[in-house]
Amino acid sequence: AQSVSQHNHHVILSEAASLELGCNYSYGGTVNLFWYVQYPGQHLQLLLKYFSGDPLVKGIKGFEAEFIKSKFSFNLRKPSVQWSDTAEYFCAVQAYSGAGSYQLTFGKGTKLSVIP
Amino acid sequence: DGGITQSPKYLFRKEGQNVTLSCEQNLNHDAMYWYRQDPGQGLRLIYYSQIVNDFQKGDIAEGYSVSREKKESFPLTVTSAQKNPTAFYLCASSSGGGGGELFFGEGSRLTVL
Repeated sequence: AQSVSQHNHHVILSEAASLELGCNYSYGGTVNLFWYVQYPGQHLQLLLKYFSGDPLVKGIKGFEAEFIKSKFSFNLRKPSVQWSDTAEYFCAVQAYSGAGSYQLTFGKGTKLSVIP
Repeated sequence: DGGITQSPKYLFRKEGQNVTLSCEQNLNHDAMYWYRQDPGQGLRLIYYSQIVNDFQKGDIAEGYSVSREKKESFPLTVTSAQKNPTAFYLCASSSGGGGGELFFGEGSRLTVL
């Protein structure tokens, strides 16, 4: 079974600072990779996803992530954060689990607090 | 509007009672999922279903049961056997096939008194 590790539990940044959230996974086969975001009081939303092709993917609200296969990593980045980016961010890995099923496994999440 | 509807949003239950959480989707998705979210634990998979009348246990299925009698509905029952049922429960769906993005409902918060 796959597992996902997010390195930081809570990150605090000032507005305009750059952001990088780490995500590593353990699985030897082909994976689909996701970053989801949960704003306070709201449901989970997709930030970006990687299935194949260019390992640098761009998502909504200026976020991007880079898939480095050799490092089993899919780190999330944003050059300049805003107060409205305050949320919890989840990395997720999707892999084939047999019998035509795909299982999505989440990391434990990273809370981002942006100080105005 | 297409989407996933979970109800109720908030639910209180006494110990020893079963409770059923509803999840309905009108996205015509084949696959549906139930996750449990606890602070600092991320989301953990309870059950998932790739097709009507079929479902599989996830990582933390003990104390839970599901059914998938219709494509659009995937109710979750939290039984009295679940030792720590107080949590936030999220339902999701995807088009299935070769994997793909999951779409989430707004969640149901269950509190056991």
